Amino acid sequence: AQSVTQPDIHITVSEGASLELRCNYSYGATPYLFWYVQSPGQGLQLLLKYFSGDTLVQGIKGFEAEFKRSQSSFNLRKPSVHWSDAAEYFCAVGDYNNNDMRFGAGTRLTVKP
Amino acid sequence: EAQVTQNPRYLITVTGKKLTVTCSQNMNHEYMSWYRQDPGLGLRQIYYSMNVEVTDKGDVPEGYKVSRKEKRNFPLILESPSPNQTSLYFCASSRKRAGTEAFFGQGTRLTVV
Repeated sequence: AQSVTQPDIHITVSEGASLELRCNYSYGATPYLFWYVQSPGQGLQLLLKYFSGDTLVQGIKGFEAEFKRSQSSFNLRKPSVHWSDAAEYFCAVGDYNNNDMRFGAGTRLTVKP
Repeated sequence: EAQVTQNPRYLITVTGKKLTVTCSQNMNHEYMSWYRQDPGLGLRQIYYSMNVEVTDKGDVPEGYKVSRKEKRNFPLILESPSPNQTSLYFCASSRKRAGTEAFFGQGTRLTVV
């Protein structure tokens, strides 16, 4: 069965600093990959997704993610973090062949002034 | 506006008192699901529905029931709630189970005392 690992439970960065959130997955074929953000008191919102093609994908709010097949990773990045980026971030993996979808445990981002 | 609506947003109840959390989507999505979110465990799927009258267990179905009589509605029923069902619940809908964007409700914070 496929699985998703987000190694970092909690990350703190200073406002204006760069950010990278890690996501690793276990799956035989090329999966569908997603990053969602959950702002306090809100549901999850899609940041970006990867299905095929260019391995560097751009999303909303200035986020990007890179699919690296050799490392089974789909890390989320942002060059300069804003205080409003403080939230919980979830990586998700979709297995189209088996019609399954899995979420990681989430990474909570704190932004220091 | 495309949305998934859950009600209530907050609920405090007593052990054993039956309750229903409603979920409705206006996007004509075939696939709907329920998740619970607990600290450190991420999102765990409770039940899902591929279409009207088709429901199936997710990873943590014990103590929950669902029904899908209409395409737009997917209520979550707790026949006899227990304190270990205290959690944050999310309803989600998408065109398909895997490979498409999931739209989430704003969540229902349930406390069982």
